[in-house]
Amino acid sequence: GAGVSQSPRYKVAKRGQDVALRCDPISGHVSLFWYQQALGQGPEFLTYFQNEAQLDKSGLPSDRFFAERPEGSVSTLKIQRTQQEDSAVYLCASSLVKSYEQYFGPGTRLTVT
Amino acid sequence: GQQLNQSPQSMFIQEGEDVSMNCTSSSIFNTWLWYKQDPGEGPVLLIALYKAGELTSNGRLTAQFGITRKDSFLNISASIPSDVGIYFCAGRRNRDDKIIFGKGTRLHILP
Repeated sequence: GAGVSQSPRYKVAKRGQDVALRCDPISGHVSLFWYQQALGQGPEFLTYFQNEAQLDKSGLPSDRFFAERPEGSVSTLKIQRTQQEDSAVYLCASSLVKSYEQYFGPGTRLTVT
Repeated sequence: GQQLNQSPQSMFIQEGEDVSMNCTSSSIFNTWLWYKQDPGEGPVLLIALYKAGELTSNGRLTAQFGITRKDSFLNISASIPSDVGIYFCAGRRNRDDKIIFGKGTRLHILP
């Protein structure tokens, strides 16, 4: 079956621009996670949804970061007024409810110039 | 910041050799996960461990959940070229259920 998909795969933004990153989870997966992965580092948790409810957003680095999952399926991570330090790979993962076996998408590489 | 110490940071081995890497933490974890990430791709789940002392295999890979619940190791036997990549451990932290990733072990296979 289809895995987690993310789009775009690559995004170049000028500092100050807004960006929107999309995640399509595996069908039937209730839980959805966003991670930020800096170069040479492991993924770092940003936020977590169960269906449409955002249950944990403690990892979002600033109020410029916003995530939504309005219908409990596709999710969008939005970054407003991008800064150079936002340059990273943004990974989306999904899992069955109460399962910690997360399945990752290929990521979106964001470069802010 | 991250709380998992993963070692070694990188390894250079000959094809056919066995590989061992580990992950330690100052916190107790309820679940240990091992992932492999290839360049330009997301991490792929290799093994999940749920009980202290649990030893689980997946082909040539074997992982164990440490008895103290603060460590885990991953072994790869008879390495082959496609084993090249970055291996991440991840643990589900007991106090808040959050999954924390290590910084990865980069595996290189010498020709």
